[in-house]
Amino acid sequence: EVQLVQSGAEVKKPGESLKISCKGSGYSFTSYWIGWVRQMPGKGLEWMGIIYPGDSDTRYSPSFQGQVTISADKSISTAYLQWSSLKASDTAMYYCVRVLRGYSYGLTTDNWFDPWGQGTLVTVSS
Amino acid sequence: SYELTQPLSVSVALGQTARITCGGNNIGSKNVHWYQQKPGQAPVLVIYRDSNRPSGIPERFSGSNSGNTATLTISRAQAGDEADYYCQVWDSSTGEVFGGGTKLTVL
Repeated sequence: EVQLVQSGAEVKKPGESLKISCKGSGYSFTSYWIGWVRQMPGKGLEWMGIIYPGDSDTRYSPSFQGQVTISADKSISTAYLQWSSLKASDTAMYYCVRVLRGYSYGLTTDNWFDPWGQGTLVTVSS
Repeated sequence: SYELTQPLSVSVALGQTARITCGGNNIGSKNVHWYQQKPGQAPVLVIYRDSNRPSGIPERFSGSNSGNTATLTISRAQAGDEADYYCQVWDSSTGEVFGGGTKLTVL
């Protein structure tokens, strides 16, 4: 069974750093992109960025570029999302996803997400 | 940037057919994917590439996409189908784009 298991909930203060994790199993971790999606309380889904664990190629949504860092350790099939200085507005649920990609003539045509991790709730409050 | 528009809410009587729309400029030229999110749970893929069902998703879920509107159709709606539904596309300029989500209520 393909699974993504995320690290547990975190409560942090503004200005603190944080790194959350997502461990993949049941498939070749280095052969699929992994993405991160944010869901703020009571709101919709926002794409943050993706990483290819095979070579650590990383792409960010313009909205999150410079705000977070996505990384991966292929030796332990784990992807990470980290902040150097948290803000109250970072309070949200964060999901990791396995990215399935469509191609045509070598070019990406679309991406979709399956499965999703169970989510990591990050609360930032003074 | 590319945008997707969904109705905030859709209601359907038990056993009837629910249709949830996702609007976007010439969305028919893109591949649309749909996710179901029940309260307190992570989203689940229910339709990919307009009309394909992942294994384990009931045949009651179907999708279509043409012109400026993609549609998720849920036949014989059940109480267990109550959830938020999100459409998603990939845009070459914007990257991943999600619709705002639609809350489905089964009456």
